[in-house]
Amino acid sequence: SQQGEEDPQALSIQEGENATMNCSYKTSINNLQWYRQNSGRGLVHLILIRSNEREKHSGRLRVTLDTSKKSSSLLITASRAADTASYFCATRETSGSRLTFGEGTQLTVNP
Amino acid sequence: DTGVSQDPRHKITKRGQNVTFRCDPISEHNRLYWYRQTLGQGPEFLTYFQNEAQLEKSRLLSDRFSAERPKGSFSTLEIQRTEQGDSAMYLCASSRRLAGDHEQYFGPGTRLTVT
Repeated sequence: SQQGEEDPQALSIQEGENATMNCSYKTSINNLQWYRQNSGRGLVHLILIRSNEREKHSGRLRVTLDTSKKSSSLLITASRAADTASYFCATRETSGSRLTFGEGTQLTVNP
Repeated sequence: DTGVSQDPRHKITKRGQNVTFRCDPISEHNRLYWYRQTLGQGPEFLTYFQNEAQLEKSRLLSDRFSAERPKGSFSTLEIQRTEQGDSAMYLCASSRRLAGDHEQYFGPGTRLTVT
């Protein structure tokens, strides 16, 4: 069963704007990972944040993690048309190695 | 550094037939995972291997599904007596232990259509 829930399910913005996606989860985690998936393709790993970290940056990506609220957010700054894709959060629980994915946010960046 | 590869990329089969998919992980990765993804949903975990040992199986993995990783390198996923509900994208991922993170890298997937 899916643990995570992404919010919003779909987001449409103009090129140059920032995009924020949120993810909530239910259990204790070891880390949380964000992935991107272009239509019909495999998943591309974007960024990993550990349970003892609160914020992480990678290029135009900023991820936050609030373990007390069991939530995370992904911010993409200065969006580009090429950022159009589905974005998934995935949690790795403290016991086990599997990733549990949310249902994803479909981001559309209009040129 | 080659990525995770999967073969075939697409498979169309008739209901009741058996199918087998192959996954080649990144060479230095000791963990290999299988996930299934249906349209509009996130991937769902099926099973994973550490080297040649299958350490965890999801309840989604019915008796018709079997996975192997005989020499701790490539893996195969076989579905026997396919059903229309098996139509999905089958994703393989691999990881290595790096500070305990197990960052997973995914292959392009095998899209299965059961007619």
